[in-house]
Amino acid sequence: DIQMTQSPSAMSASVGDRVTITCRASQGIGNYLAWFQQKPGKVPKRLIYAASSLQSGVPSRFSGSGSGTEFTLTISSLQPEDFATYYCLQHNSHPFTFGPGTKVDIK
Amino acid sequence: QITLKESGPTLVKPTQTLTLTCTFSGFSLSTSGVGVGWIRQPPGKALECLALIYWDDDKRYSPSLESRLTITKDTSKNQVVLTMTKMDPVDTATYYCAHTIRYSSSCFDYWGQGTLVTVSS
Repeated sequence: DIQMTQSPSAMSASVGDRVTITCRASQGIGNYLAWFQQKPGKVPKRLIYAASSLQSGVPSRFSGSGSGTEFTLTISSLQPEDFATYYCLQHNSHPFTFGPGTKVDIK
Repeated sequence: QITLKESGPTLVKPTQTLTLTCTFSGFSLSTSGVGVGWIRQPPGKALECLALIYWDDDKRYSPSLESRLTITKDTSKNQVVLTMTKMDPVDTATYYCAHTIRYSSSCFDYWGQGTLVTVSS
């Protein structure tokens, strides 16, 4: 199985901050990597697919990069509605695996 | 417009079998590449992919749960059913189904609202 790790596991940030979350795969997954945002009690929402493509309707302050084993999600200027938990997902090979999540809360 | 909705019991007893149904619209499981997956999330914990089924009846399971899981599809009813045997309190979670397309970027692009299943005697 491909293991996914994320760093940091949690972070505190202020509105306007630039935030970067890293996701690493235990083996190469090409660009079969998606990022999801989840707010408490809500359904996960896909933000980024194919490692760097922005889901329709998602603000342009979100961006993704990377390929192979290392990926990043960047929020260029954190907004109040962005406080949430973020998960990466690899779907290069079965079983598909999610990262453990990164919780972004208010400093 | 793609929609999915999970249904099933909200409470099951330990050792019982859980049966969940995902009813979807806006796509067909007879279309090449299309699949439906089940994902769960225990309270306060991370997401976990449990099982997927594709248009050609290819089935994939989480290795750690494979012995307890069965996924099936009814193309005519636009439904996917997940059964999980020998339920335990640690299986308490919100269970989601989601749309996917094999070998594409369309992985889990649409999700159901989720259903909370509590395992307790």
